[in-house]
Amino acid sequence: KNEVEQSPQNLTAQEGEFITINCSYSVGISALHWLQQHPGGGIVSLFMLSSGKKKHGRLIATINIQEKHSSLHITASHPRDSAVYICAVCDSNYQLIWGAGTKLIIKP
Amino acid sequence: DTGVSQNPRHKITKRGQNVTFRCDPISEHNRLYWYRQTLGQGPEFLTYFQNEAQLEKSRLLSDRFSAERPKGSFSTLEIQRTEQGDSAMYLCASSLGHGEVLTFGAGSRLTVL
Repeated sequence: KNEVEQSPQNLTAQEGEFITINCSYSVGISALHWLQQHPGGGIVSLFMLSSGKKKHGRLIATINIQEKHSSLHITASHPRDSAVYICAVCDSNYQLIWGAGTKLIIKP
Repeated sequence: DTGVSQNPRHKITKRGQNVTFRCDPISEHNRLYWYRQTLGQGPEFLTYFQNEAQLEKSRLLSDRFSAERPKGSFSTLEIQRTEQGDSAMYLCASSLGHGEVLTFGAGSRLTVL
């Protein structure tokens, strides 16, 4: 079993839909990162969470430390949101452990 | 400061040759990470530095791979006797410290013929 599990692996939605991507982890962590990677592009850090909730524009990230679970939400999704979204946790040994990513496609 | 800079952006080499990649992190960032990403896969951790000290090294990093950060600023990743399986995007990221937001470079793509 992977230490960081993301779901779904692939998600296709219509423009305007509310999107949720989930991340569960099995190790103790000091922080959790949500990252975005566009096809052929670089990786952009969206959020770094250690507790609670953060919001940036149409993106919202939450984390529940007790349940070892985090979610990334996108409101009013747009085709330009199409990308791979990666959850990565920073464990107690200072290592970053990556999830497999969620490929999101937003159709106009 | 223009963010994390990686050079070269693309390197094509013949099998058996040595290659070196350079990463210049954001100047005040203490942590520097190297990752490898192959097509369709998520990034794999290779190694990281806290200032000039190499604190962790993945088992993915064979003896042919070596990384340095001699003055705690820029870092180099060298691959000796390259193999076709080394073809990948090599990503560098830096952060202010443990658990801080990561900033990634654009990556260095290696193609081994």
